[in-house]
Amino acid sequence: AIVLNQSPSSIIASQGEKVTITCRANSSLSSNYLHWYQQKPGAFPKLVIYSTSYRASGVPFRFSGSGSGTSYSFTISRVEAEDVATYYCQQGSSNPPTFGAGTKLELK
Amino acid sequence: QVQLEESGPGLMQPSETLSLTCTVSGFSLSNNGVGWVRQPLGKGLVWMGTIWAAGSTNYNSAVQSRLSISRDTSKSQVFLKMNSLQPEDTGTYYCARQSRVYYYFDYWGQGVMVTVSS
Repeated sequence: AIVLNQSPSSIIASQGEKVTITCRANSSLSSNYLHWYQQKPGAFPKLVIYSTSYRASGVPFRFSGSGSGTSYSFTISRVEAEDVATYYCQQGSSNPPTFGAGTKLELK
Repeated sequence: QVQLEESGPGLMQPSETLSLTCTVSGFSLSNNGVGWVRQPLGKGLVWMGTIWAAGSTNYNSAVQSRLSISRDTSKSQVFLKMNSLQPEDTGTYYCARQSRVYYYFDYWGQGVMVTVSS
């Protein structure tokens, strides 16, 4: 199974700050198969970015993604209070689909 | 609009068989895959298995011997059955629509919390 290593495991940021999360795979992926989810406290996960860089429907422009091969990143250009959540990367390149361990974003 | 809703018992005894139902609306199971994802309390997401539009299934090898996913397209329902439950099966179980192209999960249910305890 492809292992996804997310870093950092937690971030404390101020409103308006830029934050970046990294997801590294232990083998190369097609960028079409790397996705990001947001899970707010007590809620179900929500697709935010699919295929590395495409925003899901209704997702604000401050969310973006990039990457290729084994290294991918997820960025919030200016953090807002509503962005407090845990963020997960997920690969669909090979079976089984796997998720990173998550990055918990908190506000200062 | 697309919706998924899980239902099932909240408390199970070790060695029992878990049966969960995912009722979907706003899309057809004949054209879409639905996966099950488990989340132990306070931990991350683990894919368990998927039933595809054609009716074929894929399972996570970690639970494959205990897991069965089926569906009733006429009722827009997907079923998860997992036997020989253990306390480590405790967690929230989500069903989610899964893209057949790039395998992301684009719509999720609210989840159902299952506790396995004697």
